[in-house]
Amino acid sequence: NAGVTQTPKFRVLKTGQSMTLLCAQDMNHEYMYWYRQDPGMGLRLIHYSVGEGTTAKGEVPDGYNVSRLKKQNFLLGLESAAPSQTSVYFCASRYPPDRAEYNEQFFGPGTRLTVL
Amino acid sequence: GNSVTQMEGPVTLSEEAFLTINCTYTATGYPSLFWYVQYPGEGLQLLLKATKADDKGSNKGFEATYRKETTSFHLEKGSVQVSDSAVYFCALRGSTLGRLYFGRGTQLTVWP
Repeated sequence: NAGVTQTPKFRVLKTGQSMTLLCAQDMNHEYMYWYRQDPGMGLRLIHYSVGEGTTAKGEVPDGYNVSRLKKQNFLLGLESAAPSQTSVYFCASRYPPDRAEYNEQFFGPGTRLTVL
Repeated sequence: GNSVTQMEGPVTLSEEAFLTINCTYTATGYPSLFWYVQYPGEGLQLLLKATKADDKGSNKGFEATYRKETTSFHLEKGSVQVSDSAVYFCALRGSTLGRLYFGRGTQLTVWP
């Protein structure tokens, strides 16, 4: 199993450009999450999904959109990038609460995004 | 609401020293508590967990006990190694949808 994978690993954008970050998991997890990590801030939840075709806002959703067209993929989009979106982005996934293994969230390796 | 307060770093220790990283939380209901570790250039990995009061989570020589009376989940290790150098995050999972609330992270550096 590859676990949770993220592409790309690094990206530099200019202000106003758009891009999509891809998260893929091969563990058949229902729940998927996008977090951003900023120095001294821990991880903050951007958006999440509890199943294919469903998405919901997290703590810091402004400036981002997401889609979950397939169960194994969760896409994070930036329509018009801003310097404030310079961050490291982590995707995570896990089983739903009715599974005994649901305690653990599995994280991808992260995408380092710089917006100039 | 839910929040986690974690000891500010960085923490620098010599090999074989004793480690404590403090973590306290505020939560509604009965949260589960976690410690995650992030090695340089990698994502977060679950280090240990505790799902109810007085539970002790342990892994790789690290331990933490869920203390409801003091709302704490301090991470300890009796003898750290250079390979333990990483960022450590305390987190809680609220009852709704399983989202995690993270502390700010504590950078640990262990010197030989």
